[in-house]
Amino acid sequence: RKEVEQDPGPFNVPEGATVAFNCTYSNSASQSFFWYRQDCRKEPKLLMSVYSSGNEDGRFTAQLNRASQYISLLIRDSKLSDSATYLCVVNPNTGGFKTIFGAGTRLFVKA
Amino acid sequence: NAGVTQTPKFRILKIGQSMTLQCTQDMNHNYMYWYRQDPGMGLKLIYYSVGAGITDKGEVPNGYNVSRSTTEDFPLRLELAAPSQTSVYFCASRLQSTEAFFGQGTRLTVV
Repeated sequence: RKEVEQDPGPFNVPEGATVAFNCTYSNSASQSFFWYRQDCRKEPKLLMSVYSSGNEDGRFTAQLNRASQYISLLIRDSKLSDSATYLCVVNPNTGGFKTIFGAGTRLFVKA
Repeated sequence: NAGVTQTPKFRILKIGQSMTLQCTQDMNHNYMYWYRQDPGMGLKLIYYSVGAGITDKGEVPNGYNVSRSTTEDFPLRLELAAPSQTSVYFCASRLQSTEAFFGQGTRLTVV
């Protein structure tokens, strides 16, 4: 089992749609969780951290479910500019030197 | 505050040549990482370092070497370039429990 798993997609949605991505992780001792966005041929950039209580930033909502070991990202009112690859990222706690990246979920938002 | 700086941005190497990809960060981060990303694929960890003088192998270390003589610098060395090393290389850094910050990447082509 991979340490961090994501559905690669692609997700093709119309503008204005709501889309959700899930990501599962294998290390139950993991402590820090993030969603990154990567545009084509660019470096990954932090979209938002994921907190135990869930958190929201504008149209984006992230949630953590420790019992089931998954995190989610919800994008409301999708914009064309949301088209990108979304990476799930986990920092393990024990021996937590390696930042573990999921392979990414590709999103295409169409007019 | 420059963040993570990678040089060069682009490079074409002939098979068998060697080169050093430079990475420097000015955020006093202890953890630093080198990843490679092939077209349409996720990030693969090459090497990482948890502090000056300490380095360790990631998933795909063969054909590469690193050193960490200072907190700021984490160069990646290719000794005998091969076509399989054609990729985009990203350097990243972070503190223990925070998100990772990425450089803009080095696009390397080996011909």
